[in-house]
Amino acid sequence: SQQGEEDPQALSIQEGENATMNCSYKTSINNLQWYRQNSGRGLVHLILIRSNEREKHSGRLRVTLDTSKKSSSLLITASRAADTASYFCATDRRDNFNKFYFGSGTKLNVKP
Amino acid sequence: EPEVTQTPSHQVTQMGQEVILRCVPISNHLYFYWYRQILGQKVEFLVSFYNNEISEKSEIFDDQFSVERPDGSNFTLKIRSTKLEDSAMYFCASRGTGGDTQYFGPGTRLTVL
Repeated sequence: SQQGEEDPQALSIQEGENATMNCSYKTSINNLQWYRQNSGRGLVHLILIRSNEREKHSGRLRVTLDTSKKSSSLLITASRAADTASYFCATDRRDNFNKFYFGSGTKLNVKP
Repeated sequence: EPEVTQTPSHQVTQMGQEVILRCVPISNHLYFYWYRQILGQKVEFLVSFYNNEISEKSEIFDDQFSVERPDGSNFTLKIRSTKLEDSAMYFCASRGTGGDTQYFGPGTRLTVL
């Protein structure tokens, strides 16, 4: 199975701290993307990193990709209570752009 | 900013009934998808659609499911005879040509009683 797994499953931090979430996957990928889901709501795209990239930044987000270890990390710096949500990684394969494989998600709780 | 919309936001139905979930993808996108998320579980791929035909479907997408693009803007998922285990959040997504990001709608929560 391609599906990635995130760890930790749950993370609770204080506002202002950094949050790091990890994602692992099993087969070669084309892209890896991170999405956020507020409780019971839709998936919001955060950032895309291509297989030939190692690091990408977007505002307070930093994503790394290590294709040799088949893993990625999402770092949220200076977290805010509004960052409380579940975070998922999604991958698509080189030979198939047609579907995403989602991980099981990390539930982040940022305490004010 | 363009976004994917879905209706209804919540659908309650009796087992065995037919339901149609509706999606309006981003207007210039050509690739369309349905995913579902059973409560507390992963988001799972159901089907992808391009050029008025299914390009890929998962094992979940059996004969009870069908998709259609009835006009230039809507993309629908029909479940012919719902089962209790079809209760889930259903997400529609769309992707533009040359882009790799799928943009998701807010989802329809389907509850089968």
